[in-house]
Amino acid sequence: AQSVSQHNHHVILSEAASLELGCNYSYGGTVNLFWYVQYPGQHLQLLLKYFSGDPLVKGIKGFEAEFIKSKFSFNLRKPSVQWSDTAEYFCAVHMNYGGSQGNLIFGKGTKLSVKP
Amino acid sequence: DTGVSQNPRHKITKRGQNVTFRCDPISEHNRLYWYRQTLGQGPEFLTYFQNEAQLEKSRLLSDRFSAERPKGSFSTLEIQRTEQGDSAMYLCASSLAWDRDYNEQFFGPGTRLTVL
Repeated sequence: AQSVSQHNHHVILSEAASLELGCNYSYGGTVNLFWYVQYPGQHLQLLLKYFSGDPLVKGIKGFEAEFIKSKFSFNLRKPSVQWSDTAEYFCAVHMNYGGSQGNLIFGKGTKLSVKP
Repeated sequence: DTGVSQNPRHKITKRGQNVTFRCDPISEHNRLYWYRQTLGQGPEFLTYFQNEAQLEKSRLLSDRFSAERPKGSFSTLEIQRTEQGDSAMYLCASSLAWDRDYNEQFFGPGTRLTVL
């Protein structure tokens, strides 16, 4: 079955540290890729997305992600995190198969705690 | 606020009771999705509508679950004969896309269900 893996359950960083959160998916066909963020007490918000074109995509708040097709990966990065980046981050993949238009598969999420 | 809204935000019920949740999508969005999220997991797809037609259902959607979108606007998700395993956050999302296109989903705040 298709799946999305996020390698880290909980990441703790100090402010100004660099961040990289891993995401891998298991599907060899066409995909649309997303990172969503959920700040404490808030709902899921789209951070960035990849549909096609340049595999390095930039999102809001200085986040970026790189799609590496050969590795089935879509890792999220930020050069310097801030305390306000404390949140839970979800990788999500839409896999175009069998006419499926709705099936967005999420990873289990990574909690990021940034120490001031 | 023109985002996705969900009501109620919290629901506590006794095992065996029926519950119904409502989702109001972003007004011009033609697609509406339901997800379920349990502790420590990412959202899991339940079902989705394009306008009033329910086009896809997950195997997670047992026969106790039913969803409707009668006029292609708001949607309801009903759970009959609730079980303790139904306790979760139920998320609604909407998007605007046509035919075989796909577009990012915008999420509501969720309804947290607790079954005693």
